[in-house]
Amino acid sequence: DQQVKQNSPSLSVQEGRISILNCDYTNSMFDYFLWYKKYPAEGPTFLISISSIKDKNEDGRFTVFLNKSAKHLSLHIVPSQPGDSAVYFCAALRSYNTDKLIFGTGTRLQVFP
Amino acid sequence: DGGITQSPKYLFRKEGQNVTLSCEQNLNHDAMYWYRQDPGQGLRLIYYSQIVNDFQKGDIAEGYSVSREKKESFPLTVTSAQKNPTAFYLCASSRVPEAFFGQGTRLTVV
Repeated sequence: DQQVKQNSPSLSVQEGRISILNCDYTNSMFDYFLWYKKYPAEGPTFLISISSIKDKNEDGRFTVFLNKSAKHLSLHIVPSQPGDSAVYFCAALRSYNTDKLIFGTGTRLQVFP
Repeated sequence: DGGITQSPKYLFRKEGQNVTLSCEQNLNHDAMYWYRQDPGQGLRLIYYSQIVNDFQKGDIAEGYSVSREKKESFPLTVTSAQKNPTAFYLCASSRVPEAFFGQGTRLTVV
């Protein structure tokens, strides 16, 4: 049962344009959602997170939007840069009685000149 | 500096041998995780632990074992029962609302 899904395995965007990466989840008990960027043979690095009580969080070029009714979140990167080319994972974190980090399968972003 | 450290970065194992991957964190996080990544694939959860002396199987626990004797440490043993152990292994730790990863260990069976 895939609780966190990234349905687009890849995305190609021109430099300077907006990149939009999508993530869907099934469990309404998640408290926080996080986005990570990963280069080959390296550990994922944290980008941005959002609490389930908010619908938007912004950090520089990165903005995450959360639509709880649709159980959907998205990461917007504006403007996209070639250095943004990587695999992006969304993750959901659940507290209350458990603290468990659940990942989506990732979306490979390619930013071309 | 607080962080999470995996060692070694590269590891070679002969078929039939057990091997242990190290993961240490000084972030005072309660939860720790082991993931496996295969080429072109996402992150699959092997084991996770929410407190000392307790851990749960993830989606692909067969052929792996873990221990959590200290809050800071969560070693993963890849046993000879794991049929296809060659992969990139990632350790993570979390305490809501943050979660961080180590730099990974690439295990190759020769």
